[in-house]
Amino acid sequence: DQQVKQNSPSLSVQEGRISILNCDYTNSMFDYFLWYKKYPAEGPTFLISISSIKDKNEDGRFTVFLNKSAKHLSLHIVPSQPGDSAVYFCAASDNNNDMRFGAGTRLTVKP
Amino acid sequence: ETGVTQTPRHLVMGMTNKKSLKCEQHLGHNAMYWYKQSAKKPLELMFVYNFKEQTENNSVPSRFSPECPNSSHLFLHLHTLQPEDSALYLCASSQDGGGGNYGYTFGSGTRLTVV
Repeated sequence: DQQVKQNSPSLSVQEGRISILNCDYTNSMFDYFLWYKKYPAEGPTFLISISSIKDKNEDGRFTVFLNKSAKHLSLHIVPSQPGDSAVYFCAASDNNNDMRFGAGTRLTVKP
Repeated sequence: ETGVTQTPRHLVMGMTNKKSLKCEQHLGHNAMYWYKQSAKKPLELMFVYNFKEQTENNSVPSRFSPECPNSSHLFLHLHTLQPEDSALYLCASSQDGGGGNYGYTFGSGTRLTVV
């Protein structure tokens, strides 16, 4: 049962433009949502998170939006940079259970 | 250095071999995890250890056997694996043990190929 879904396996954007990565979930008990970034030959690294009591969290160029009614969250990167090229994983947890991950979206930022 | 170290980075083994993956964290975390990453699939949670006690075994075949001798070390013992077990095996640790808002710290993974 895949509780966290990233339906776009890949995304390509031009440097300087906005990157929008999407994620959907099915478990209404999730109360924390996280984004991880993974470069080749490295493990995922924590990028940004949001609690279910908020609908937006911003950290520099990265903003995560949460729409609880739609069970949808998105990660916005603006402006996108070539160094942002990586695989981005969406993850979710409730406080009593372990984290569930999506399949990832490969972002390519072209110079 | 991420604080979570996995060895070896790459491993090729035959189906009759026995090998072990090692994970070590120096972050003072109290929970450790094994995840499997196959191509184009979500990260699959395999095992969870919280304060050295196994709290979750996510229906993993018995050919995978975890061991957590202390809160800083985690092993995954492998025997009689199948080619479909070829994947990237990731170790992670966390402070709260329950997911939450703190995130996990991952190691770089062991790329396993079963031939």
